[in-house]
Amino acid sequence: SAVISQKPSRDICQRGTSLTIQCQVDSQVTMMFWYRQQPGQSLTLIATANQGSEATYESGFVIDKFPISRPNLTFSTLTVSNMSPEDSSIYLCSVARRNEQFFGPGTRLTVL
Amino acid sequence: KQEVTQIPAALSVPEGENLVLNCSFTDSAIYNLQWFRQDPGKGLTSLLLIQSSQREQTSGRLNASLDKSSGRSTLYIAASQPGDSATYLCAVNIATGYALNFGKGTSLLVTP
Repeated sequence: SAVISQKPSRDICQRGTSLTIQCQVDSQVTMMFWYRQQPGQSLTLIATANQGSEATYESGFVIDKFPISRPNLTFSTLTVSNMSPEDSSIYLCSVARRNEQFFGPGTRLTVL
Repeated sequence: KQEVTQIPAALSVPEGENLVLNCSFTDSAIYNLQWFRQDPGKGLTSLLLIQSSQREQTSGRLNASLDKSSGRSTLYIAASQPGDSATYLCAVNIATGYALNFGKGTSLLVTP
């Protein structure tokens, strides 16, 4: 398995501000994934983060809104920029290990 | 694009019942399929992983089957308990290292 931690676990933010979410994995992985889960919905992939290269974003998600860093093989950050209430969601990072995917505990974001 | 559908969306059963959750996917060219459990406001816990070459996997009271040619998987829960109450998510992977495509989940309530 993989042990994944995320910070913060939850936050309440004001409209127009930005929040950076951190994801730490217990050992090196090639790819990390960032997902969003809006209230009552399933998970939607935001982007795939590879170490040493730009993140690959899914349709509907752009780098200016969700910049991602991947400075090494155990760590990544996702920033939610210029937030609006529509950004209120759970944000989850995940990694793949031996064909199985594992998820962090998530960051619950509420934007007022 | 791979579409994953889960039926039913919600299910309520009395404690002790055996139950089946259904998952279907539109493109049978999958690499593997995972079942997850999500408790309210929390991250995802991996329950079972079925490789495309496998027919089923078992863990304790859980049994997951896969019929790749028909694009279907089922999660069987034996002797359900109130602690099984959660949302169960099905997700498919088209290749190793790729992100998952999720269904919307089945919300399960097991009443004492």
